Amino acid sequence: AQKITQTQPGMFVQEKEAVTLDCTYDTSDQSYGLFWYKQPSSGEMIFLIYQGSYDEQNATEGRYSLNFQKARKSANLVISASQLGDSAMYFCAMREPNRDDKIIFGKGTRLHILP
Amino acid sequence: DAGVIQSPRHEVTEMGQEVTLRCKPISGHDYLFWYRQTMMRGLELLIYFNNNVPIDDSGMPEDRFSAKMPNASFSTLKIQPSEPRDSAVYFCASSLQPNTEAFFGQGTRLTVV
Repeated sequence: AQKITQTQPGMFVQEKEAVTLDCTYDTSDQSYGLFWYKQPSSGEMIFLIYQGSYDEQNATEGRYSLNFQKARKSANLVISASQLGDSAMYFCAMREPNRDDKIIFGKGTRLHILP
Repeated sequence: DAGVIQSPRHEVTEMGQEVTLRCKPISGHDYLFWYRQTMMRGLELLIYFNNNVPIDDSGMPEDRFSAKMPNASFSTLKIQPSEPRDSAVYFCASSLQPNTEAFFGQGTRLTVV
């Protein structure tokens, strides 16, 4: 079974608009971490943001925020005021430290920011 | 710190040849991960180490693949013999503690002809 599901293979968004990238996860553990990474066309994997399962507040890092809805097992990435440089592949990932502590990735969403 | 360092950045080899990919994790990081990325299969975890010990190698596709971590600052992923279907980008990543983010190297693009 898929541990991480990203249902949007591709998205087109106008520059300066906000973007929400969907991610749902599957775990029976109480302790886990959720991550988002960006992969631009140059190929490197860039860590964006982390949310712990016990964190009360949604994580934020600059223009990135993570909309964490634990009951729904949802961890959507929100990018505010999108820029052309946000065009990239975005991956959601999860880590379960009490299980196997592997970092498992979703299939990704390709985001295109339109000028 | 220079980040996770992988070498080579690009490798083109003939089918049947041995390929060795190298990784230097961030100093002090106890966890090291090897991933393979292809269009068809996305990012697959091949193997990961904790304190130089292989913890889970269930993602290694077959016996042709092997990985070692002889010390805290160096790991190798070896493919012998290589096949065209091994063509992919191979990433190494390291993390400091359990349940924390991993930082990735630049990747090695492997082409087997």
